Amino acid sequence: GEDVEQSLFLSVREGDSSVINCTYTDSSSTYLYWYKQEPGAGLQLLTYIFSNMDMKQDQRLTVLLNKKDKHLSLRIADTQTGDSAIYFCAESTGDNAGNMLTFGGGTRLMVKP
Amino acid sequence: NAGVTQTPKFQVLKTGQSMTLQCAQDMNHNSMYWYRQDPGMGLRLIYYSASEGTTDKGEVPNGYNVSRLNKREFSLRLESAAPSQTSVYFCASSERQNYGYTFGSGTRLTVV
Repeated sequence: GEDVEQSLFLSVREGDSSVINCTYTDSSSTYLYWYKQEPGAGLQLLTYIFSNMDMKQDQRLTVLLNKKDKHLSLRIADTQTGDSAIYFCAESTGDNAGNMLTFGGGTRLMVKP
Repeated sequence: NAGVTQTPKFQVLKTGQSMTLQCAQDMNHNSMYWYRQDPGMGLRLIYYSASEGTTDKGEVPNGYNVSRLNKREFSLRLESAAPSQTSVYFCASSERQNYGYTFGSGTRLTVV
């Protein structure tokens, strides 16, 4: 079955870059996602990458995908205190009818002023 | 545009009580999902509905039932609540795969 793993915690200083890593096991993944969860809130889609891409950049966010190693990363440039949250990666392996997502356990990012 | 609306936001139940968590989306999405979130375990899928009129079990369906009332609404029922069901419950919906999910703000349930 699918398994998505992330480290539990990351601490950075404001202005530094943050890199959150994720590994997955299902080689048939079609899309991979990054979600952000702020305290007391639901998950918010940050970005996604199709499995035939290596990289995707969206303003301060850069997603890197190494399909051979089944490794996904999210880089946040110029990290701000407002970026403090839990970040979840997720993989999608279903067809359009079900669009099943499997989530990692989440990485708590703490940004120190 | 409300997106995905969940009610209630908080609930405390006694062991053995029943309740229904409500979810509604106004985006005309075909698929809807119920997840539970527990510390350090990410989100685990309870049930999902790929389209109106269909429901299927996810990873952790025991102790739950669902109803896809219409395209907008997907409810989750706990028939006899147990302390192990203490969790935060999220409803989500999606239209197409590459758009990901839209999540509600969650229901924090405590079973004592």
